[in-house]
Amino acid sequence: QQQVKQSPQSLIVQKGGISIINCAYENTAFDYFPWYQQFPGKGPALLIAIRPDVSEKKEGRFTISFNKSAKQFSLHIMDSQPGDSATYFCAASSGTYKYIFGTGTRLKVLA
Amino acid sequence: KAGVTQTPRYLIKTRGQQVTLSCSPISGHRSVSWYQQTPGQGLQFLFEYFSETQRNKGNFPGRFSGRQFSNSRSEMNVSTLELGDSALYLCASSGQGKGYGYTFGSGTRLTVV
Repeated sequence: QQQVKQSPQSLIVQKGGISIINCAYENTAFDYFPWYQQFPGKGPALLIAIRPDVSEKKEGRFTISFNKSAKQFSLHIMDSQPGDSATYFCAASSGTYKYIFGTGTRLKVLA
Repeated sequence: KAGVTQTPRYLIKTRGQQVTLSCSPISGHRSVSWYQQTPGQGLQFLFEYFSETQRNKGNFPGRFSGRQFSNSRSEMNVSTLELGDSALYLCASSGQGKGYGYTFGSGTRLTVV
């Protein structure tokens, strides 16, 4: 019940395309859902986060869609660029700093 | 504004030894958490400290311990190292309440041989 399932494991997208990464959770106590981006040799960096009281949040080319009834949330990267090539992690927490992370998606954007 | 600083960046230790990793959070941040990152298990929560007190703990054996000092700097210690402890150890800090918004450091890459 504490797991966050993330898919796909890897993703290849053409430059300018849309990248979509999905996550699903079971624990309805989760109330904070962040996405992190990690480049090789670096720690994860917070991209965007959402609370369950909204269904969508957009920041620049990054959008989180949240479906509370289905217990799913997804990251959409519009107009994907080669510089977006990185590993993306979704996470969930229930009011503490004990985050449960998804297993990660390795995104490669082709030039 | 300086980010989260972890030292050392790389470490090679022998099985059975112990190791101490250090983390300096962003100035003003009082919450410091530690995560282990491996290719097989992903990011796993170790523990979180706030104002020198451990607030949350993950499911790791007692060989993994930590502490936080009055200036919010934190250390984690792993005793009796095993090969499976080889991982990237990440420290994250936050100045917000209720678990919102980590800033991670670049990590310490520990290799146990």
